[in-house]
Order: sequence, then structure tokens, then C-alpha cells
Amino acid sequence: AQSVSQHNHHVILSEAASLELGCNYSYGGTVNLFWYVQYPGQHLQLLLKYFSGDPLVKGIKGFEAEFIKSKFSFNLRKPSVQWSDTAEYFCAVCGATNKLIFGTGTLLAVQP
Amino acid sequence: EPEVTQTPSHQVTQMGQEVILRCVPISNHLYFYWYRQILGQKVEFLVSFYNNEISEKSEIFDDQFSVERPDGSNFTLKIRSTKLEDSAMYFCASSGRGTTTDTQYFGPGTRLTVL
Repeated sequence: AQSVSQHNHHVILSEAASLELGCNYSYGGTVNLFWYVQYPGQHLQLLLKYFSGDPLVKGIKGFEAEFIKSKFSFNLRKPSVQWSDTAEYFCAVCGATNKLIFGTGTLLAVQP
Repeated sequence: EPEVTQTPSHQVTQMGQEVILRCVPISNHLYFYWYRQILGQKVEFLVSFYNNEISEKSEIFDDQFSVERPDGSNFTLKIRSTKLEDSAMYFCASSGRGTTTDTQYFGPGTRLTVL
């Protein structure tokens, strides 16, 4: 069965710090990987996705993620966070069917 | 930018009552989904829907649940007889092509509280 693990449940950073959020998945076949973000009071929106090609994917607002197949990982990074990045971040995988399997989410709080 | 909308934002109901959660997907999308998130737990897939039929459903989506596209714009989730454990945030999503690489666009959610 497919599953997604996000190891960081709650991360607190100061502005300008670098961010890396871990995501590992379990699935035997070809996967498509997503990072969604939910800003306070808003709906889930796509940050970036990977389905083929360059394993380093760039998304909106300066975020990027790297797919490492050998490690079953798809970590999210941003070199310098801003207060406006405070949100909950969800990693998700889509396998043979188009249902999304989500991780538990990581709450990021950026202190000004 | 087109958005998925959901109504109501919060629904409170008594155990055993029927509830209908409503969603308006993005207008040119053909694939529709319901997910839910129980407080403190993961967002879980419930059901996907295409061409007026259920494409896939999870184990959670038992006989108490049903989905419908009653007209050209709405997509509804009905829970026939609510239980306490149905209390959750319910998210509707839609996508254009329904492929595994397609982006699913989510609505703001309906918080269902069953008393």
C-alpha cells in the first residue's frame, strides 16, 4: 500500500533561515509526487509537483524539491524563508490511480 | 483565477441526521474528488468521480456515503446517517484530466461537527 511520511510535525524558523522539510514515500511502482501548502484560513494549493525528468523541481514562491528515487524521498527546500511562508505543508503521492495519498503535514512557523 | 468553492463552511448536525456538503468545481474540470481530514490526522481520500460515475472509492466510503452531480455545476457529498466519527473537515477537489500527474485543485473545506 502507498504511504507518505513527513517526519517534521512542527518547525519553527527565523526569517532568512533555510528550510528543508522531509518527505518519504512507500510505493513499489512509478509515482508522481506533490507538495501542497495551506496558508492560515486558505485552501490547499499546489506548490510543486514531480512526475518525470529533472529530479530537482522548482515551484512557486522560491520553493524547490528534489526527488531521490534511491531514498524514496521528495524533500522540500527553500534557501531563505519569509514570515509569509508560515503555513502547513503537505507532501502527497499519486500512484497507479489518481487519488492523492497525503502525509500528516508539517506546520511551519516563521518568526519575524 | 478559477477556484473550487464549498458550502457551508461549517455544518453542525445531530448524530443520525443526514447532511449534504456542496461543492462547485472549476467550470471546465471533469474529475471530482472528496477528501476528509479528521482533526490531528492525515488528509484521506474518500472518492473520485467522472462522467457521472464513481471512479474509485476508499474503504471509508461505505453505504452511508454517496456523491452526485445534480446539475452542471454542483458536486455533492451526502452522509445518510451521521456518526460522531464523521466529524472532520471535508475537502472537495477537481482536476481537468484526471491523470496521475494532473493537479487537483482544492476547495476551502467544510467543517462537519456531529454532536
